[in-house]
Amino acid sequence: NAGVTQTPKFRVLKTGQSMTLLCAQDMNHEYMYWYRQDPGMGLRLIHYSVGEGTTAKGEVPDGYNVSRLKKQNFLLGLESAAPSQTSVYFCASSGPLDRGYTFGSGTRLTVV
Amino acid sequence: AQKITQTQPGMFVQEKEAVTLDCTYDTSDPSYGLFWYKQPSSGEMIFLIYQGSYDQQNATEGRYSLNFQKARKSANLVISASQLGDSAMYFCAMSAYYGNNRLAFGKGNQVVVIP
Repeated sequence: NAGVTQTPKFRVLKTGQSMTLLCAQDMNHEYMYWYRQDPGMGLRLIHYSVGEGTTAKGEVPDGYNVSRLKKQNFLLGLESAAPSQTSVYFCASSGPLDRGYTFGSGTRLTVV
Repeated sequence: AQKITQTQPGMFVQEKEAVTLDCTYDTSDPSYGLFWYKQPSSGEMIFLIYQGSYDQQNATEGRYSLNFQKARKSANLVISASQLGDSAMYFCAMSAYYGNNRLAFGKGNQVVVIP
């Protein structure tokens, strides 16, 4: 099925460890996004990309880096994980605005 | 910058009844889109409905309709004939037309449908 695939689905990290979240879409969308969801906070934009080779900061970018080397992939990196980064992370892609986003199934990350 | 406000507490609704979820927004952009997403307990985010700021008619998608009142900056979601599967968290969101499709989300409304 066409859509957005995120890996991994669950991960537990120790404080200070690093990891990369992978996002892949097969809809040929230009725009891709990383959001985090915390209880009572809705979804907040971390970073986004408007095309291959481009990235930009969102609302809460500190502590994260991203790369978009290929159009279909958008990677989110945590260089030195902190407990404050415990969250559910969603990747999304979009084409025309009126079609909305297609979201991945999310990654539940716990930093201990 | 856009701001979305969803302030209703959790709602219980009887099966087959209609429910209205409130959403107000604030933006200085002249052109924008408004969205509603559903997040069931399984966690996925599901796109429900879209309304453009210049659309003359309120958007409808099956049992979902968006009550758009531009002057009041209001974009309420109406779910008609509620079903048990409608139990979920619902998020209102908006994007400026020239904002790289970035969505700003509200904090969500919890709906529980009871038989």
